[in-house]
Amino acid sequence: QKEVEQNSGPLSVPEGAIASLNCTYSDRVSQSFFWYRQYSGKSPELIMSIYSNGDKEDGRFTAQLNKASQYVSLLIRDSQPSDSATYLCAVTGANGGATNKLIFGTGTLLAVQP
Amino acid sequence: GAVVSQHPSRVICKSGTSVKIECRSLDFQATTMFWYRQFPKQSLMLMATSNEGSKATYEQGVEKDKFLINHASLTLSTLTVTSAHPEDSSFYICSARSQNSGNTIYFGEGSWLTVV
Repeated sequence: QKEVEQNSGPLSVPEGAIASLNCTYSDRVSQSFFWYRQYSGKSPELIMSIYSNGDKEDGRFTAQLNKASQYVSLLIRDSQPSDSATYLCAVTGANGGATNKLIFGTGTLLAVQP
Repeated sequence: GAVVSQHPSRVICKSGTSVKIECRSLDFQATTMFWYRQFPKQSLMLMATSNEGSKATYEQGVEKDKFLINHASLTLSTLTVTSAHPEDSSFYICSARSQNSGNTIYFGEGSWLTVV
């Protein structure tokens, strides 16, 4: 089982719709969870971080964390064509937190159709 | 957010030569930096964790003698690909952990390496 799993997609949504991206992780002791957006040929950029159970909202983005189910998601409201990118879920590893290295999922490709 | 800068953004080198990539944290001190490699249409693969003032920690399967990492200061880590071969052609990305931002990890712009 991979440490961080995501559906590779592509996930296609119409402009203005809600895009829902999902991620599961295998290590129960993981503490920090991140969503990064990566455009083709570019470096990842941080969108959201979440550390405790529940929802965290930032503009059009909402991250949801459920540690009991080992599940984290990202909702994008009012999706725009410019949101089309690969979304990477990342979780801190289980090495005692000394270096907080990130373990990435393979990413979900989101395509927002105009 | 915090700024991490990488240089060069693109480099082409001949097979058998070495190339150095720099990673700088511009507005924060980073005791820990990370080096990733990403092949087309694949996810980021962690190569090594770079620790200021000590040896890097390499992930399983990464040759430490081929990918030399130096983290001599709190704002600079370098990755040197030695005796490069065409199969080393990839997108190399560094990241740095900002203790001032809740230990959030920020990425550099990445460096495209092409070995011909």
